[in-house]
This record gives sequence, C-alpha cells and structure tokens, in this order.
Amino acid sequence: SQTIHQWPATLVQPVGSPLSLECTVEGTSNPNLYWYRQAAGRGLQLLFYSVGIGQISSEVPQNLSASRPQDRQFILSSKKLLLSDSGFYLCAWRPRGRNTEAFFGQGTRLTVV
Amino acid sequence: AQKVTQAQTEISVVEKEDVTLDCVYETRDTTYYLFWYKQPPSGELVFLIRRNSFDEQNEISGRYSWNFQKSTSSFNFTITASQVVDSAVYFCALTLSSAGRRALTFGSGTRLQVQP
Repeated sequence: SQTIHQWPATLVQPVGSPLSLECTVEGTSNPNLYWYRQAAGRGLQLLFYSVGIGQISSEVPQNLSASRPQDRQFILSSKKLLLSDSGFYLCAWRPRGRNTEAFFGQGTRLTVV
Repeated sequence: AQKVTQAQTEISVVEKEDVTLDCVYETRDTTYYLFWYKQPPSGELVFLIRRNSFDEQNEISGRYSWNFQKSTSSFNFTITASQVVDSAVYFCALTLSSAGRRALTFGSGTRLQVQP
C-alpha cells in the first residue's frame, strides 16, 4: 500500500533562518507531488507541484522554493524565513494520469518567531 | 480558472441535529471531479468522497450524504444525527480532468462544531 511521510511535525524557527521540509512517498512510482499551505483559520493554498524529477511549477510568488531530487521525494525550502511564512504545510500526492483523490501527509506546523 | 466557494465559515449545532455544508464551484470544463475532505484537530486531511461530473447520483454513506447538482454547480454535504466526533473543518475541492498539474483547488473550508 502507498504511504506518505512528512517531517518534522512541528517546527519553530526564527525570522531569517533557513527551512527544509521533506516529504517522501512509498509504494508508488511517478506520482504527481504537491505542497500546500494552510494559514491559520484559512483554506489550502497550492504552493508547488511536480510531475517528475527536477520538474517544479510554482503557483504563487513567494519566499519559498521546492525541489524533487528523486521520484518520490519532495522538499520545500527557504533561504530566509519571514513571519508570514508561518502556517501549516501539507504535502500530497496523486497517481499520475488518474483522477483519484489526493493523499495527504500529516502536515508540518511551522511557526516563525 | 476554477474556483470553489464554501460560504459557511463556521457552523455550530447540537448533537443529533442534521447539518448541511454548502459547496459551490466554478469551472468551464465539462469533465471534472469534486471531493470532500475532513480535517480533524490533529490536522491531517481525511478523504471522504469523490464525484465525477457525469455522475449526478446522490450518495449516502452511513450518516453522510452528498447532493451533487450540476444545474446549480453545487456539491453539498449533509451529516445526519451529528456527533461530537464530527467536529472538524470540512473542505470541498475540485480538479479538472484535463492534462496538466491535476492539483485540487480547495474551498476555504467550513468549521463544524458539534456541541454535546
């Protein structure tokens, strides 16, 4: 069966510090991968998606970047965090070419102080 | 571009009451998929249902039921005899069938509080 792992679960970082959140998927190959952010009390905003290794598309301009160094690994990064980067970050995957639901990780709650 | 609107920000009911969560979507595509997810306080998103645009049959799963109406671009979710464990944020989402990123577009969510 397929599983998705996302870590860390919680993170408190000072303004200006770097960020690296990692997501890996097991039990499938060639998935579409996504990073979403949920600000406090709000909906889910798509940040990045990837349809293959090294292929990253950004949905909104921001202080963040994403990379996909391996087929089932998706990394969200920042060189210098801003207060506005605080939120709940969710990684998700969908089988390529199939219209199933998206499967989500447990999420990372990031607080920038 | 597609859009999902959940006009109800927060709903509070007493246990055993029925409650309907509204979802209105916008898309120019004729083939699309609609979803409902539940987000309990722990934060993870729990998939509830998927419906494609060609299937307007209503669906019932236990205390949950979904009413899909293309004429009004709505996909409403009803919980019958609500329970405290139903307290969560519920999201409606849409994705298109066309090639591309196939990402889900989410509504802003409805927070449901079920009081004992």
